[in-house]
Amino acid sequence: DGGITQSPKYLFRKEGQNVTLSCEQNLNHDAMYWYRQDPGQGLRLIYYSQIVNDFQKGDIAEGYSVSREKKESFPLTVTSAQKNPTAFYLCASSNSRQSRYQPQHFGDGTRLSIL
Amino acid sequence: DQQVKQNSPSLSVQEGRISILNCDYTNSMFDYFLWYKKYPAEGPTFLISISSIKDKNEDGRFTVFLNKSAKHLSLHIVPSQPGDSAVYFCAASAGSGTYKYIFGTGTRLKVLA
Repeated sequence: DGGITQSPKYLFRKEGQNVTLSCEQNLNHDAMYWYRQDPGQGLRLIYYSQIVNDFQKGDIAEGYSVSREKKESFPLTVTSAQKNPTAFYLCASSNSRQSRYQPQHFGDGTRLSIL
Repeated sequence: DQQVKQNSPSLSVQEGRISILNCDYTNSMFDYFLWYKKYPAEGPTFLISISSIKDKNEDGRFTVFLNKSAKHLSLHIVPSQPGDSAVYFCAASAGSGTYKYIFGTGTRLKVLA
């Protein structure tokens, strides 16, 4: 069954530590995205990638980094520079090669908390 | 600057009646709009979309209406069912040459049995 897998579902980080969130898709989608959701707010775009080895900053990229070495994988690192990392993180992908007018498909998210 | 706004944080509707969720946008360059449904602790699920060349799109119980002059879209669910209880997000594509989507803050729908 095709889909997007995010792991882990819950993650705890100590102050000053970097942590990496995993996102894998087997939908053969070219484009992948990372969003952050805070209570009472919509999804805010952190980074996105339209093709392998290329990615662009979204609206709130500070304190985050990504890589896109493989089409299937788009890991997000939350660095110690991110001052308020506690949030629900969502990864998505879309079939951008077919058309720009394609919906994004989402994983089930990772909830990151600071100890 | 909230480019996509959902001004009603919550909505309650009786089972079998119509649910109407609203969304306003400010950027006239938006040309593709989507609605997503989200249950707690899960990712959003795509429901229905509409491009700016249309003013209505239907899929089963779900219909999306687009009023470009008012920069307003709405999602109608008829008839509403208890399983429709979730948070609904509208999103807009940020224009040609980009694959970015701007999301609203969501409306929590509760369908009462």
